[in-house]
Amino acid sequence: RKEVEQDPGPFNVPEGATVAFNCTYSNSASQSFFWYRQDCRKEPKLLMSVYSSGNEDGRFTAQLNRASQYISLLIRDSKLSDSATYLCVVLTDKLIFGTGTRLQVFP
Amino acid sequence: DTAVSQTPKYLVTQMGNDKSIKCEQNLGHDTMYWYKQDSKKFLKIMFSYNNKELIINETVPNRFSPKSPDKAHLNLHINSLELGDSAVYFCASSPTNTEAFFGQGTRLTVV
Repeated sequence: RKEVEQDPGPFNVPEGATVAFNCTYSNSASQSFFWYRQDCRKEPKLLMSVYSSGNEDGRFTAQLNRASQYISLLIRDSKLSDSATYLCVVLTDKLIFGTGTRLQVFP
Repeated sequence: DTAVSQTPKYLVTQMGNDKSIKCEQNLGHDTMYWYKQDSKKFLKIMFSYNNKELIINETVPNRFSPKSPDKAHLNLHINSLELGDSAVYFCASSPTNTEAFFGQGTRLTVV
C-alpha cells in the first residue's frame, strides 16, 4: 500500500463548481499534513496546512480525520486559475507526497 | 529575493557524463532536501540534510552524492549519468519537522 494515496483525476469542472479531493495515508504516527499546489512545469507550493479541527482559507477548506487516516480539500466557487495539480503531503520522519490530483476548471 | 534557488534550471547532457546541481536557501532553515519528480509526476524524496548532516538517504544509486558545505547549501552530484536519470530535480528547505519550500527545479535530460 502506498504511504499517501490520491485519486489522480483529472477532475474537469466548470467555473463556479465545488470540487473535493480526498487523500488517505498509511502511517498512523504521521505528525502533520499539508496540501500543496503544483502548476505545470513549476515547483510545488504550499496551499495550506491541515489541522484536526479543520481549517478554511477563503474558498479552500481542509479537513483531517485521524481515526480514518483521511485528509480532504474542498474548493468552492472554482476559478480558471485553480487549474493545477493538488498534492496531499504527510509528515512522518520526512515529507511524503501523494501522486497528486489534477484539476482542470473550464469556462 | 528568491528563497530557495537552484542552478541550472535546465541541463542536457550525454550518458556517462558527471554533473552537479547547486541549491541555496536564504530562509535560515535547518533542513534541506532533494526530491526527484519523474515523467509520471511522482515526487519522491532522495535525501534530507539537517544542519549539514545526512539524515535521510532513500534507495538512491550511489552515483548520486549530496554535499552540504553549510546549512544554507545542498548540492547534488551525479556520476555516470543514465537515461533513466532524466527527471526534474527539486531542492527544498524547511524549518525542522514542518512544511517545505521548493526551488524552481532543474530539468535534467540525459541523451
